[in-house]
Amino acid sequence: SAVISQKPSRDICQRGTSLTIQCQVDSQVTMMFWYRQQPGQSLTLIATANQGSEATYESGFVIDKFPISRPNLTFSTLTVSNMSPEDSSIYLCSVEGGAADPSTDTQYFGPGTRLTVL
Amino acid sequence: AQSVSQHNHHVILSEAASLELGCNYSYGGTVNLFWYVQYPGQHLQLLLKYFSGDPLVKGIKGFEAEFIKSKFSFNLRKPSVQWSDTAEYFCAVNAGGGFKTIFGAGTRLFVKA
Repeated sequence: SAVISQKPSRDICQRGTSLTIQCQVDSQVTMMFWYRQQPGQSLTLIATANQGSEATYESGFVIDKFPISRPNLTFSTLTVSNMSPEDSSIYLCSVEGGAADPSTDTQYFGPGTRLTVL
Repeated sequence: AQSVSQHNHHVILSEAASLELGCNYSYGGTVNLFWYVQYPGQHLQLLLKYFSGDPLVKGIKGFEAEFIKSKFSFNLRKPSVQWSDTAEYFCAVNAGGGFKTIFGAGTRLFVKA
């Protein structure tokens, strides 16, 4: 399985500011995913980030609000821009397969970043 | 479009009771099916998965799930739960080949010691 770390683990931010979340994987992976998990709700996919191409956003999420970088096969960032209290959530980085499990569509998750916007 | 439905949002059991968490999905083609678990204070992790073959899948910690294609179901079971099984359980499905994974709303299980 892939080991994923995220930074920061939590943050409290002011309305109107931006926060960049980092995701680091211990092996090279093609596909990385960013999810949001709002209180009491399931995971909602924000976007899929493949190295070397623009991220693909799900309905309801736009690049201006959630810009993503994917500079190499082990790292990605998600920025939450111009934050409002509605953005308070846990943001999760996930990868599919990886070196140990390359073809089975199993996802591995990071520990999440708990964001509170005041 | 794919969707996943988990029947119970909250389940409370006593230790040694049997567990069955329902999961139904809507998708007409071949699917990959998963159960993920999130223990308190920990991150989401894979419990078990079904891709093909024997529809009864065994996972970690004594959990198993049965894929019933005719019912579009993938229910999670454990014969005797422990206090340490207290967690939130998510059923998930994807159609493979790069299709995104869809998660159910989750079931919070609380096991009383």
